[in-house]
Amino acid sequence: NAGVTQTPKFRVLKTGQSMTLLCAQDMNHEYMYWYRQDPGMGLRLIHYSVGEGTTAKGEVPDGYNVSRLKKQNFLLGLESAAPSQTSVYFCASSYLNYEQYFGPGTRLTVT
Amino acid sequence: AQSVTQLGSHVSVSEGALVLLRCNYSSSVPPYLFWYVQYPNQGLQLLLKYTTGATLVKGINGFEAEFKKSETSFHLTKPSAHMSDAAEYFCAVSDDWGGKLIFGQGTELSVKP
Repeated sequence: NAGVTQTPKFRVLKTGQSMTLLCAQDMNHEYMYWYRQDPGMGLRLIHYSVGEGTTAKGEVPDGYNVSRLKKQNFLLGLESAAPSQTSVYFCASSYLNYEQYFGPGTRLTVT
Repeated sequence: AQSVTQLGSHVSVSEGALVLLRCNYSSSVPPYLFWYVQYPNQGLQLLLKYTTGATLVKGINGFEAEFKKSETSFHLTKPSAHMSDAAEYFCAVSDDWGGKLIFGQGTELSVKP
């Protein structure tokens, strides 16, 4: 089992560009999450999904969109990147409200 | 609203010394509590969790934590630090629904030889 994988690992964007981060899990988990990690702020929830075809806003959703067309995939989109979105992004999945399993992260820099 | 406070953004101990990382939470319902560890340039890995039952929880790598409802605390301890314990540690709380986690700010643990 690969667990939770994230693509890409690194990315540099210019302000205003768009991109999509892909998260995939092979554990048949219902719940999936996108977080951003910034120094001194822990992890903050961007969006989450409790099942295929459903998404919901987390703590810091502005500037991001998500889609969960397949149970195993959860996509995070930035339509018009801003320097404030420079961060490390983590995807996680869980079976209901048990422990979350995290991917290795995507380091995004917006110049 | 739930919140998590980790006292000390940076803790330094000597190898072989006691490790104590503090976590206090606020929650209006009985919480699920977690400690995660993050090694440099890696994702988060679960150390231990409290859901129900015994309040002293044992995790991986010799860590344990005790849920104290009266103190709203879930401090992480390890009797003897090892160099390989150097990492960032995150405390997190979840309510009874949905699995959303609220994370503390993190505590970076350094271990001196």
